[in-house]
Amino acid sequence: SQELEQSPQSLIVQEGKNLTINCTSSKTLYGLYWYKQKYGEGLIFLMMLQKGGEEKSHEKITAKLDEKKQQSSLHITASQPSHAGIYLCGADIQGGSEKLVFGKGTKLTVNP
Amino acid sequence: NAGVTQTPKFQVLKTGQSMTLQCAQDMNHEYMSWYRQDPGMGLRLIHYSVGAGITDQGEVPNGYNVSRSTTEDFPLRLLSAAPSQTSVYFCASRFNYGYTFGSGTRLTVV
Repeated sequence: SQELEQSPQSLIVQEGKNLTINCTSSKTLYGLYWYKQKYGEGLIFLMMLQKGGEEKSHEKITAKLDEKKQQSSLHITASQPSHAGIYLCGADIQGGSEKLVFGKGTKLTVNP
Repeated sequence: NAGVTQTPKFQVLKTGQSMTLQCAQDMNHEYMSWYRQDPGMGLRLIHYSVGAGITDQGEVPNGYNVSRSTTEDFPLRLLSAAPSQTSVYFCASRFNYGYTFGSGTRLTVV
């Protein structure tokens, strides 16, 4: 959906490096979800952010929600080959709606 | 819990054929939805349901039918398959703080 823009579209990093993926909305964010997808597989839920300024972490992955900028960032510290995949952000932009919209994804490659 | 189960995993249809993609969840989730994923387009919502007997259209509903007779099942019907419906289809159900997705059905319409 054009309502959610992810950047970059693809990213190649060396193992051990840090990286950031951004998800920017053209509309107010009422809930923001991050997923990881391996090629040809389903989506794995990473985390959900709802409140401005909220920050959540799972292992080496941290996500933040900037309400003013209508943006979320996903940061991976000390990347590993197991982090490779496609990262997708999804959002409720209608407020209490179950109609999630998704970004087109960021393809992450981690070279050993 | 088996989570969200989709069948079949792969399917090839001829143009004009009809078929049903199955989706079942054993977590007693009220909300379920269907998405299609296409290269360069991301995930797009087809139909969704907030409970048994209640369904509504998403972003790309044309050519698809759904019904929700039980909490567990939410099948997606293709009425007359077209090559434009070649895609990967995902079913999802909502839990407290997110959505869990099935492993997908890869559909090719020739």
